[in-house]
Amino acid sequence: DIQMTQSPSSLSASVGDRVTITCQASQDISNYLNWYQQKPGKAPKLLIYDASNLETGVPSRFSGSGSGTDFTFTISSLQPEDIATYYCQQYDNLPPFFGGGTKVEIK
Amino acid sequence: QVQLVQSGAEVKKPGASVKVSCKASGYTFTSYDINWVRQATGQGLEWMGWMNPNSGNTGYAQKFQGRVTMTRNTSISTAYMELSSLRSEDTAVYYCARDPGNVWGKGTTVTVSS
Repeated sequence: DIQMTQSPSSLSASVGDRVTITCQASQDISNYLNWYQQKPGKAPKLLIYDASNLETGVPSRFSGSGSGTDFTFTISSLQPEDIATYYCQQYDNLPPFFGGGTKVEIK
Repeated sequence: QVQLVQSGAEVKKPGASVKVSCKASGYTFTSYDINWVRQATGQGLEWMGWMNPNSGNTGYAQKFQGRVTMTRNTSISTAYMELSSLRSEDTAVYYCARDPGNVWGKGTTVTVSS
């Protein structure tokens, strides 16, 4: 199984800050990586697919990069509505495990 | 619009089974795999398995092998996830999600309590 290690597990930043989350796969997954946003009491929402492609309707302040084993998710300018937990998920191989999540809070 | 509508909350006793439904609309049900993901309170997302609604083929996470069964009824565009031998640790919100992950149900809360 491919394990996904996400860091940090939580972070606190100010409105307007640049926020970066990393996800490391235990083996090469090419670019088969999703990033999700989950707000409390809601289902996850797909933000980024294929590591760097923005899902339709998602604000451009969200971006993703990386390939192979190391990936980065960035919010270029944190907004109050971005308060949520973010998850990466690999889909190169079954089982498509998720990372442990990163809880983003406002400082 | 494309959506997945899940069945309502369930309360079960330890040892019982639960069957959660996920009704698809707004797209051709047999064209996209359905995944099931669960989330215990305050915890992360846990992938349980997938089903191809066209063929009925399934794949389950090793953790749930022997306890989970995923089925479908194509005539009503509905997928099902049945989990047996429930224990307290199975208390969670259970989600269905359509590949490639851009359509999710709202979740079904399953509580296992004596």
